Amino acid sequence: GENVEQHPSTLSVQEGDSAVIKCTYSDSASNYFPWYKQELGKGPQLIIDIRSNVGEKKDQRIAVTLNKTAKHFSLHITETQPEDSAVYFCAADTGGFKTIFGAGTRLFVKA
Amino acid sequence: GAGVSQSPRYKVAKRGQDVALRCDPISGHVSLFWYQQALGQGPEFLTYFQNEAQLDKSGLPSDRFFAERPEGSVSTLKIQRTQQEDSAVYLCASSIRGAGAQETQYFGPGTRLLVL
Repeated sequence: GENVEQHPSTLSVQEGDSAVIKCTYSDSASNYFPWYKQELGKGPQLIIDIRSNVGEKKDQRIAVTLNKTAKHFSLHITETQPEDSAVYFCAADTGGFKTIFGAGTRLFVKA
Repeated sequence: GAGVSQSPRYKVAKRGQDVALRCDPISGHVSLFWYQQALGQGPEFLTYFQNEAQLDKSGLPSDRFFAERPEGSVSTLKIQRTQQEDSAVYLCASSIRGAGAQETQYFGPGTRLLVL
């Protein structure tokens, strides 16, 4: 089955700097890659997603890149703000019923 | 509009007790997912419903776990004879269409279960 690995587990950046979170997946059939943000005491919330026919997608300060050959995708947050502090999860979906999540990255943005 | 709601938000159970966790998905959403999230980990798939049909229950850890969605809306996850290793946050998510549509899953706030 699919396995998703996520790095780093913790990331601390200064406000205004960029943050990059990387994920790899194992199943070449995966074709949908969402990213979720989870704040304390809340459920995960989708922030951006990318499909396998696209190499890059951007939404304001957030961008995601996908390298299908390497089975690798990354989240980039530019001009980080304190409110970006949260746990971020990458995920992979083969189009079936399961979405497989990474273990998460705890992002701290220092003011 | 209302999002996905779950109740109770917190549940403390003694080992061996049965518990029932409720999920109210967004009205009209076809798909409903249950996940288990251990402390410091990502959500792990438990089961999937398309309307009232449970199409995948391969993630349920044991036969002590049972889920239902009898009328295709509200769902209940039941855990019988709870064990300490069942302590986790149980998340429910719904999406508009059937799984495989590459759609946003909308998550509820979760139920934090602590088994003593």
